[in-house]
Amino acid sequence: QKEVEQDPGPLSVPEGAIVSLNCTYSNSAFQYFMWYRQYSRKGPELLMYTYSSGNKEDGRFTAQVDKSSKYISLFIRDSQPSDSATYLCASRGTSYGKLTFGQGTILTVHP
Amino acid sequence: DTGVSQDPRHKITKRGQNVTFRCDPISEHNRLYWYRQTLGQGPEFLTYFQNEAQLEKSRLLSDRFSAERPKGSFSTLEIQRTEQGDSAMYLCASSLDLGRDSGANVLTFGAGSRLTVL
Repeated sequence: QKEVEQDPGPLSVPEGAIVSLNCTYSNSAFQYFMWYRQYSRKGPELLMYTYSSGNKEDGRFTAQVDKSSKYISLFIRDSQPSDSATYLCASRGTSYGKLTFGQGTILTVHP
Repeated sequence: DTGVSQDPRHKITKRGQNVTFRCDPISEHNRLYWYRQTLGQGPEFLTYFQNEAQLEKSRLLSDRFSAERPKGSFSTLEIQRTEQGDSAMYLCASSLDLGRDSGANVLTFGAGSRLTVL
């Protein structure tokens, strides 16, 4: 079993829809949770990170972590075609920066 | 500084040949990481450096793989006797570690070096 599991999709939504992306993790030592966005033929770029449980909002993006259920979510409001990409969740413990990634979810937002 | 640079962006080689990738991190970053990403998968950790010291290597990093970071600046990843299973995107990332548990230790990734082994 992978330490971070993510539904690979693909997910296709119309422009303006609310998108929900989810991951689960198994390592109780994970304390930091990140969402990266990766466009085709590019490296991942950090969207958001959260520490421990709770919510964090940044513009149209909201990240949620529920440590009791080991569940990580990213919500995208008013989705745009430019949001079409692969979204990767990642987690790490407190010791150092090694990140463990999920498989990635391919998102397409069509006009 | 324009971010993390990787070279070459794409390398095609024949099975059995050696290849080397170079990564130039963000200049003030003291940590450097190598990840491998295959099609349809998330990045998998290979190794990381704190300055010039290689502090951890994944089991994925067989003895055909060697990474160096001389003088704590750029890094190279060499793959000897390449196999078709080595075909992947090799991602480099860097971060600034401020000591102890200094927060998220955000990794900035380069665009990657894509390896195709024929």
